[in-house]
Amino acid sequence: DGGITQSPKYLFRKEGQNVTLSCEQNLNHDAMYWYRQDPGQGLRLIYYSQIVNDFQKGDIAEGYSVSREKKESFPLTVTSAQKNPTAFYLCASSIGYSRGSFYNEQFFGPGTRLTVL
Amino acid sequence: AQTVTQSQPEMSVQEAETVTLSCTYDTSENNYYLFWYKQPPSRQMILVIRQEAYKQQNATENRFSVNFQKAAKSFSLKISDSQLGDTAMYFCAFRYGGATNKLIFGTGTLLAVQP
Repeated sequence: DGGITQSPKYLFRKEGQNVTLSCEQNLNHDAMYWYRQDPGQGLRLIYYSQIVNDFQKGDIAEGYSVSREKKESFPLTVTSAQKNPTAFYLCASSIGYSRGSFYNEQFFGPGTRLTVL
Repeated sequence: AQTVTQSQPEMSVQEAETVTLSCTYDTSENNYYLFWYKQPPSRQMILVIRQEAYKQQNATENRFSVNFQKAAKSFSLKISDSQLGDTAMYFCAFRYGGATNKLIFGTGTLLAVQP
């Protein structure tokens, strides 16, 4: 089955530690995204990548870093510089602009709940 | 900057009834797309329906339909014959028509379908 997987489902981190959230897709999508979801707020874009070895900052990139070495993978690192990292993190992917703009639906993974202790 | 506003934090509807969720947005662009996503208690985001701004005809997907008023910058979602499985958080989202596929989300409406 094609889809997006995120691991782990729950993650606990001590203050001052970096932690990496995994996102893998087997949909052959070019574009991938990371969102943060907080209670009472919509999803906010952290980083996105439209092609391998390239990525751009979203609206709330401070304290986060990403890499895109493979088409299938887009890991997100939450660094100790992120002041309030406790949140629900969602990864998404889409076909990519070059294959048609309208059918650029974003498909979402199941999410990772990060808690800082 | 583009913004998306959902003014109803919570709504409730009886099973089999019809409910309408509101969404307004602000943009100076003429080419864009609008979406409604559903997030049930499992927290999996699911696309419900989408609308191209240049199409005047309102999109429909089975029991889900939209009322797209471009001049008023309004994009409401109507759910007919509500079912218990429709209980979820619903997010309205806006996307530019350009090369980037950035979505801007509203704050969501929590819909509870009562038996």
